[in-house]
Amino acid sequence: QQKVQQSPESLIVPEGAMTSLNCTFSDSASQYFAWYRQHSGKAPKALMSIFSNGEKEEGRFTIHLNKASLHFSLHIRDSQPSDSALYLCAANSAGNKLTFGIGTRVLVRP
Amino acid sequence: GGIITQTPKFLIGQEGQKLTLKCQQNFNHDTMYWYRQDSGKGLRLIYYSITENDLQKGDLSEGYDASREKKSSFSLTVTSAQKNEMAVFLCASSMAGGYAEQFFGPGTRLTVL
Repeated sequence: QQKVQQSPESLIVPEGAMTSLNCTFSDSASQYFAWYRQHSGKAPKALMSIFSNGEKEEGRFTIHLNKASLHFSLHIRDSQPSDSALYLCAANSAGNKLTFGIGTRVLVRP
Repeated sequence: GGIITQTPKFLIGQEGQKLTLKCQQNFNHDTMYWYRQDSGKGLRLIYYSITENDLQKGDLSEGYDASREKKSSFSLTVTSAQKNEMAVFLCASSMAGGYAEQFFGPGTRLTVL
């Protein structure tokens, strides 16, 4: 059964700094990896996803995937107060489903 | 674009009561999901459905039933609400199951007295 773990549990970063979030997964057969962001009181919303090893950049957001080490990460450049949210990573599991981590709570201080 | 609607927004029940939550989507997505989120934590999958009349158990299905009678709607029933239970139930839909972006509804917040 897929296990997805996130670190750290929470993070405070100054405005303008880099935010780095980590996720490990247990199922080496996983092929799809994603990050979701959930602002307080709102629905989770997909940020980025990746299928292949390496990195993918979209604006201030970069996702890295290393399947051999069962690890992927999200980096947010020039962090803004509006980036303060709960970040959830997810990896696909057998049977058409995603398994989510418990989340990293990020606070960006002006 | 589409939208996912969940009703009710807030649900207050009594211990032992049977409670039903409803979800509608107009994305024309095949797959729909029910998740439970406790205290701003991660999402735990309760039930999902890959097509009309299909039901698949998630990791947290005990104590819940689900129903997918139409492609656009997916219902979740709490069979016997537990005292002091408080959680947000999120409905989501996607095109192709485990490899596609999931779109979430705003949630139903459950409180059991």
